Amino acid sequence: ETGVTQTPRHLVMGMTNKKSLKCEQHLGHNAMYWYKQSAKKPLELMFVYNFKEQTENNSVPSRFSPECPNSSHLFLHLHTLQPEDSALYLCASSQTLGLAGGQDTGELFFGEGSRLTVL
Amino acid sequence: GEDVEQSLFLSVREGDSSVINCTYTDSSSTYLYWYKQEPGAGLQLLTYIFSNMDMKQDQRLTVLLNKKDKHLSLRIADTQTGDSAIYFCAADSWGKLQFGAGTQVVVTP
Repeated sequence: ETGVTQTPRHLVMGMTNKKSLKCEQHLGHNAMYWYKQSAKKPLELMFVYNFKEQTENNSVPSRFSPECPNSSHLFLHLHTLQPEDSALYLCASSQTLGLAGGQDTGELFFGEGSRLTVL
Repeated sequence: GEDVEQSLFLSVREGDSSVINCTYTDSSSTYLYWYKQEPGAGLQLLTYIFSNMDMKQDQRLTVLLNKKDKHLSLRIADTQTGDSAIYFCAADSWGKLQFGAGTQVVVTP
């Protein structure tokens, strides 16, 4: 099993569809993240969960709805998206939220991403 | 401007050295990172440097940090075709990682 697994890898949806992206981590980490990667733009942090609790919503439109049922799973529910939402959505996890000192360097472990195309 | 800025593209010949530059804004950043993203993959940590260091060497990789100017660079010696990828600079800021837009490095024969 790889560290962070995302499904589906590719998704094409119409603006009226409802779909979900799934992320699963097998690393025993406590923090999970959704990032949006668009060409020529900085990687954009969307949501952060720590011990299943949402700690950050970075002004993300409500058509994106995250869900974290446990520390190993993270979902991103998609509804009535716009063509400009087409991007690569990356899930990541880390041992802790922020830097805990000691051996923790704050490293994020990323999945391979879900390539979303909104028609 | 952005919290972390880096040039978008670099072309380098195989065997030459590559230098990727990055500037960041948060002077309190404790760790600075370089992540690598190969085609069709997520980001993977390549190396990092603690803010009280000004240089770190790891095999073909050399990281230079100028904390006064908030400037970070990554040098790849003897660049190989397998080094073709997007390289992201990141800085920790208030417990979160701020990423740049990534520098696409293309290695030509």
